[in-house]
Amino acid sequence: EDQVTQSPEALRLQEGESSSLNCSYTVSGLRGLFWYRQDPGKGPEFLFTLYSAGEEKEKERLKATLTKKESFLHITAPKPEDSATYLCAVQADGSQGNLIFGKGTKLSVKP
Amino acid sequence: NAGVTQTPKFRVLKTGQSMTLLCAQDMNHEYMYWYRQDPGMGLRLIHYSVGEGTTAKGEVPDGYNVSRLKKQNFLLGLESAAPSQTSVYFCASKGLVYADTQYFGPGTRLTVL
Repeated sequence: EDQVTQSPEALRLQEGESSSLNCSYTVSGLRGLFWYRQDPGKGPEFLFTLYSAGEEKEKERLKATLTKKESFLHITAPKPEDSATYLCAVQADGSQGNLIFGKGTKLSVKP
Repeated sequence: NAGVTQTPKFRVLKTGQSMTLLCAQDMNHEYMYWYRQDPGMGLRLIHYSVGEGTTAKGEVPDGYNVSRLKKQNFLLGLESAAPSQTSVYFCASKGLVYADTQYFGPGTRLTVL
């Protein structure tokens, strides 16, 4: 069964304290792995797509990496405005573009 | 370019009442999806459509119906609402490109009393 597990469930950081979020996945064949950011009361906002092991993508203080079993979202020197829930999702081969989501990691960055 | 829009933003129903949620996209996307999001459960797929006139069941389809009469619109119906359908509902759409990104609407918060 295709599955996505995110850890930790919640993470509290001080401003400037770098850390990583984990997304472990089990899928029959990976077509793509997606990272989204979700603010309270809003819809998920797209961040990155990774397609193959070894791939990396960066955007401001965020960097996403991918291996054959997991993905990491590295946050360097976070700011309070980075506080949000970060969602990971996978698309499997043969799916109709359907995504399987993890439960998310809620990140809080204190000034 | 509004992207994906959802109507209404909030709704309160009584058990047994019916309603329709509307999703509209202006990106000419072929694929459209309805999800529900519950605390501790993550996003779960209800129904989806791979093109105008087509619909298919997702992970949690029971109690819901959908229609895609126009390419830009995807309707989610609740024929007889139940308290278990209290949730936040999100619509998403994507294009035909390999592993294309799904873009989400702002959500509808539904409470069933």
